[in-house]
Amino acid sequence: GAGVSQSPRYKVAKRGRDVALRCDSISGHVTLYWYRQTLGQGSEVLTYSQSDAQRDKSGRPSGRFSAERPERSVSTLKIQRTEQGDSAVYLCASSLSQPQHFGDGTRLSIL
Amino acid sequence: GDSVTQMEGPVTLSEEAFLTINCTYTATGYPSLFWYVQYPGEGLQLLLKATKADDKGSNKGFEATYRKETTSFHLEKGSVQVSDSAVYFCALSDRGSTLGRLYFGRGTQLTVWP
Repeated sequence: GAGVSQSPRYKVAKRGRDVALRCDSISGHVTLYWYRQTLGQGSEVLTYSQSDAQRDKSGRPSGRFSAERPERSVSTLKIQRTEQGDSAVYLCASSLSQPQHFGDGTRLSIL
Repeated sequence: GDSVTQMEGPVTLSEEAFLTINCTYTATGYPSLFWYVQYPGEGLQLLLKATKADDKGSNKGFEATYRKETTSFHLEKGSVQVSDSAVYFCALSDRGSTLGRLYFGRGTQLTVWP
């Protein structure tokens, strides 16, 4: 379909390794968000970006987390030097305006 | 800062029972309010929304009314079904923010038994 697609669905990595998660957003959507969802903690935004013809405005990356947007409808969330606490479901969402449309998420497990 | 507080679960109901999931918010601006639902193994789906005070959002038999005086957006359904079993998230977005990031509650797990 034409929804938000995330890959992989599941990712297992050893602690200390870098991981990259991909998101293909809905064509035409301007703003793209990455959220982290943990059991009992709900969902918190990690980073977000707006892209237009001129430039990309990235949200504040938080330490080991960063997002790249090589194409307007593609984003890669990179997590450096993973820790066990990074185990969570990572959700990507895109929007033109509200509401946001979410992908099915990537479940990341750090061993 | 902006935040959302929703009742903790899990909530377990029999089919056809009445459902209420409480949600209150704190916002500095004029937020839009949302309920999202997440079925097992799936992402978040928008269930309903309200963009200003006294608006009522409704979908699939669920309703929520934007109450500015009590800063609440409680989710209700008169008769739940087994297929409603999911995790429900209350969220707000500050309309004054151009990026419109969402602030989520922690989620409420609902299980409906036949």
